[in-house]
Amino acid sequence: GAGVSQSPSNKVTEKGKDVELRCDPISGHTALYWYRQSLGQGLEFLIYFQGNSAPDKSGLPSDRFSAERTGGSVSTLTIQRTQQEDSAVYLCASSRYRLDEKLFFGSGTQLSVL
Amino acid sequence: EDQVTQSPEALRLQEGESSSLNCSYTVSGLRGLFWYRQDPGKGPEFLFTLYSAGEEKEKERLKATLTKKESFLHITAPKPEDSATYLCAAGNDYKLSFGAGTTVTVRA
Repeated sequence: GAGVSQSPSNKVTEKGKDVELRCDPISGHTALYWYRQSLGQGLEFLIYFQGNSAPDKSGLPSDRFSAERTGGSVSTLTIQRTQQEDSAVYLCASSRYRLDEKLFFGSGTQLSVL
Repeated sequence: EDQVTQSPEALRLQEGESSSLNCSYTVSGLRGLFWYRQDPGKGPEFLFTLYSAGEEKEKERLKATLTKKESFLHITAPKPEDSATYLCAAGNDYKLSFGAGTTVTVRA
């Protein structure tokens, strides 16, 4: 596609439910990143994929968070047993290679946990 | 721990009133200093990458500069369409550490 696509754009869920957030990167981009943006805060790094491998998962806040990438393309971020503090905008970005190239961001998924 | 601090948090300008945004960083193994623009409800949009102290880059009314500890984004004669949040990020091998951003509002 022309840009990074994320779905859904908005997700409202109840505390304790599981959610899945999807990211379709730009075709041919090998690197994929997930960031979280809370109100008034900077973007917080969550995880980085090179191809289907995740060399760095250090930013995942807890073991309730997991992510995978398949076919070197689509990525899914899963949050289990959601908590109110998980409410934020989850942003996905991709780049052709590692950080030598600029990142292209999607518009994000606004997650609200009630 | 990697740290990026931006100031001011908010900046209100009259159209045509030039100003500068500051980004100070402490990042081990810095590979690049990035500036992004973010409009409400959208993801950040890339503006510049700076790789070494003394480097400058320009795009329309924006100019970014880099020293060993700081970067500045200068906005010359801003227009209302320059209103946005400007994010600074410092990158090591593959990870960007972002500042909280400066929200710029330009009044006509």
